[in-house]
Amino acid sequence: DAGITQSPRYKITETGRQVTLMCHQTWSHSYMFWYRQDLGHGLRLIYYSAAADITDKGEVPDGYVVSRSKTENFPLTLESATRSQTSVYFCASSESWGNQPQHFGDGTRLSIL
Amino acid sequence: GQNIDQPTEMTATEGAIVQINCTYQTSGFNGLFWYQQHAGEAPTFLSYNVLDGLEEKGRFSSFLSRSKGYSYLLLKELQMKDSASYLCAVRDDKIIFGKGTRLHILP
Repeated sequence: DAGITQSPRYKITETGRQVTLMCHQTWSHSYMFWYRQDLGHGLRLIYYSAAADITDKGEVPDGYVVSRSKTENFPLTLESATRSQTSVYFCASSESWGNQPQHFGDGTRLSIL
Repeated sequence: GQNIDQPTEMTATEGAIVQINCTYQTSGFNGLFWYQQHAGEAPTFLSYNVLDGLEEKGRFSSFLSRSKGYSYLLLKELQMKDSASYLCAVRDDKIIFGKGTRLHILP
C-alpha cells in the first residue's frame, strides 16, 4: 500500500552509540521532513529535503545527519546519541511546498540510556 | 522571532462547539495548517488557510486573519473521538508548529 513508513517503531540505545532511523515513502513526494516531538516543545523540525541530494537544516539540526540519495528514502542518523535526544521522531512528506499538507509516518520512539 | 501561541488545554462537552485559537508572529507567511493528533499517533491534516476568511469542511471550520496573525479552528457537534491535540502550523520559508492544544471532551 502507498504511504510513509518509519522503522524501527521503538528503539533503546546507549549514549555515544550511532543510531539510524529509517523513513520510506511510496508517493514520490518531493519534500521530506524529520521532526522531533517532546513534551512542552511540540513538533520541531530537524532537517528537510526538497528533492534527492538536496537537504537543509531546520530548527534543531545539531547532532543529526541526513541523506537523500533516493527520492523515497530519507534516513536520519544520530552520530553519537545523547540523553537529550530521547524523543519521538516523526518523518513526513509532502507533494510540494505550497498548499500541500504533510503526511506523517507513525513515529519512532527513541530512548537513550 | 518566530512564535506560535495556542492554549495548552481546553475542555468541552459532547455535542457542543469549541473554538481553538492560534496566534502567530513569523517573518513570512505562506499558509496556515491545522492538524489533529490523537495520543500516541501521528498528526493528520485537517485544514489549510492562505487567504483571509473561513474554510468549512464538515464539522470542522478554520478561520484566518493575516493582518491580525490569527487563526481559529472551530469544531461543531463534538464527539468523544474528537479528544485529541490540535496543532497549528505556519509555513514561511520553513514550517513552524505550535505546541498544540489538548482538547478533552466530557460526556
